[in-house]
Order: sequence, then C-alpha cells, then structure tokens
Amino acid sequence: SAVISQKPSRDICQRGTSLTIQCQVDSQVTMMFWYRQQPGQSLTLIATANQGSEATYESGFVIDKFPISRPNLTFSTLTVSNMSPEDSSIYLCSVVFSNTEAFFGQGTRLTVV
Amino acid sequence: GQNIDQPTEMTATEGAIVQINCTYQTSGFNGLFWYQQHAGEAPTFLSYNVLDGLEEKGRFSSFLSRSKGYSYLLLKELQMKDSASYLCAVRASNDYKLSFGAGTTVTVRA
Repeated sequence: SAVISQKPSRDICQRGTSLTIQCQVDSQVTMMFWYRQQPGQSLTLIATANQGSEATYESGFVIDKFPISRPNLTFSTLTVSNMSPEDSSIYLCSVVFSNTEAFFGQGTRLTVV
Repeated sequence: GQNIDQPTEMTATEGAIVQINCTYQTSGFNGLFWYQQHAGEAPTFLSYNVLDGLEEKGRFSSFLSRSKGYSYLLLKELQMKDSASYLCAVRASNDYKLSFGAGTTVTVRA
C-alpha cells in the first residue's frame, strides 16, 4: 500500500461557494477515482481522474459541478462547485495500484449550510 | 446497472463468528472486494476475490462463487473493535471502477 493524503479532512461551507479537495499519493498509481458517500449511504462513483486529460464522469455527475484535475500520477483535485446543502457528503479519493488492491484516502467531510 | 445486495444489520457476541453475505448481479465480473468502515472514517481494504474459493487473512476470510454471484465475509473471534460497517464491492470490468453494496452494520456485544 501507500500513503494517501486527502485534505481538507472536513469543512463547513456556505451555499453558493466552491471547495477544492486535494488527494496526494506518495507513489505513482495506475488509476485514481473520486467517490461520494452521502449520509447513511454507501459509496457512489463520481468520476475517473485521468492523468493529463479530462475526467470521465458517471451518470448523474457533470464537469461543471465537479471539475477534476489530475496533472500527474500522484495528485488529483476535486472541486465541488456552487454548493447546496444536498452536496453535504463525505468525498473520497481512491487509488488503484494493481489488479488486486484499491485503497481510499481518509475522506473529506463536507457540510454545506 | 449493477445490483449488489447485503444485509443491513447484524449483531453478534464477542468471541463469536459472523458471516456477512453478498449477492451480486452485474454486467460483468472482474473481482470482488470487501472493505471495513468505522463510523466517520474511510473504508479500509480487507480482501479481494476473483477466483472461486476461500481467501483467509487472519481472523477474516472471504469466499466467492462466481457461478452463484455470491460472496461472504467471515469474521472469527469477534472483538468489540470489529463493530463497523462492511462493504461489498464488485468490479464489473477492466476499468477498475467499483460498485458498492449498501453496507452491513455489524454490532459486537459483550
């Protein structure tokens, strides 16, 4: 495994503002993903963060709302734009090193007021 | 879409054994993962199965039957710290994306 650093760990934001979440890995990874976990729910995939190109979004998620960057093989950001209370969730980055392992960052707990 | 089912809650006694079942119906299959998630924390990787059979890792074991679309996670010698949510996740294709079940909350009682 590797060290996955995600920050901030939590934040309380005003509606209408944006928050950028960072995910840093201490070694190069094959794949990076962003997931959302709404209160009391399981994890839902937002998008695949592609290195050097636009992210690939899942149904129900769009780039204008969740812009993602991945400038290299160890770092990615997710922005939650124009936030509303419905965006209150835990946001998690996930990294894949091999076919048999997939790990998560410690998560960002976002509360929108 | 992907359909992954697991029980919502289970309760067991310290020192006992608990088996968490997961059934799946997915468009493809390229591996099944189990994660442990304590309240307020991120999921922690427990196990990976891609071939039929049992994988054992200390007190935790995971079983897979691809023909039945079925897996279970077996927790032995339960400890209070095992109280957590256990997530079953399936990778349906070669793109490394995971689809998660709703999770099973296990409560260990003294």
